[in-house]
Amino acid sequence: GDSVTQMEGPVTLSEEAFLTINCTYTATGYPSLFWYVQYPGEGLQLLLKATKADDKGSNKGFEATYRKETTSFHLEKGSVQVSDSAVYFCASRETSYDKVIFGPGTSLSVIP
Amino acid sequence: DAGVIQSPRHEVTEMGQEVTLRCKPISGHNSLFWYRQTMMRGLELLIYFNNNVPIDDSGMPEDRFSAKMPNASFSTLKIQPSEPRDSAVYFCASSSLADSTDTQYFGPGTRLTVL
Repeated sequence: GDSVTQMEGPVTLSEEAFLTINCTYTATGYPSLFWYVQYPGEGLQLLLKATKADDKGSNKGFEATYRKETTSFHLEKGSVQVSDSAVYFCASRETSYDKVIFGPGTSLSVIP
Repeated sequence: DAGVIQSPRHEVTEMGQEVTLRCKPISGHNSLFWYRQTMMRGLELLIYFNNNVPIDDSGMPEDRFSAKMPNASFSTLKIQPSEPRDSAVYFCASSSLADSTDTQYFGPGTRLTVL
């Protein structure tokens, strides 16, 4: 079945460091891909998405590119801030009629 | 829009008691999902509905758990009887079958503690 794998955490970075969180997926079709973020004590919220190959999703300085050839959707940010400390979930979804497949989440801590 | 609404936000109960969690999806959304999140097991999908019909309940842990969606604007997740291992944060999420971006919107969660 479909699955999403992402790098294990926790990840600890200094402020202004470069961030990469790797994500790969397996799917029978061509899913939409997402990054969700969960801040402490809150529900998940959509950070960015891409619906087809070579699309780049971006939001709040974060970016991810849908790479069909490597089945990947790595999250990047050039300069992280303390306020980016959260858990990041990579996810895929075949269609709006299907369930969302979430990765296990990667905890990020950014220290001043 | 008010977003997905869940109640209560916190629930503390004793083992053996019945617990009912409630969810109001975003107006116009016709898919609804119940998740459970714990440190040990992460985020787990329990059940989801399309147009008020349960599509996949394979994640429901056991017969003590049941979920209903009597109409498009309301769903409940019931645990009877509750056990300490049910302690977790329960999230409800909704989405629209007509949304080509397939985005899911989460509620703030209900933190359940079973003593």
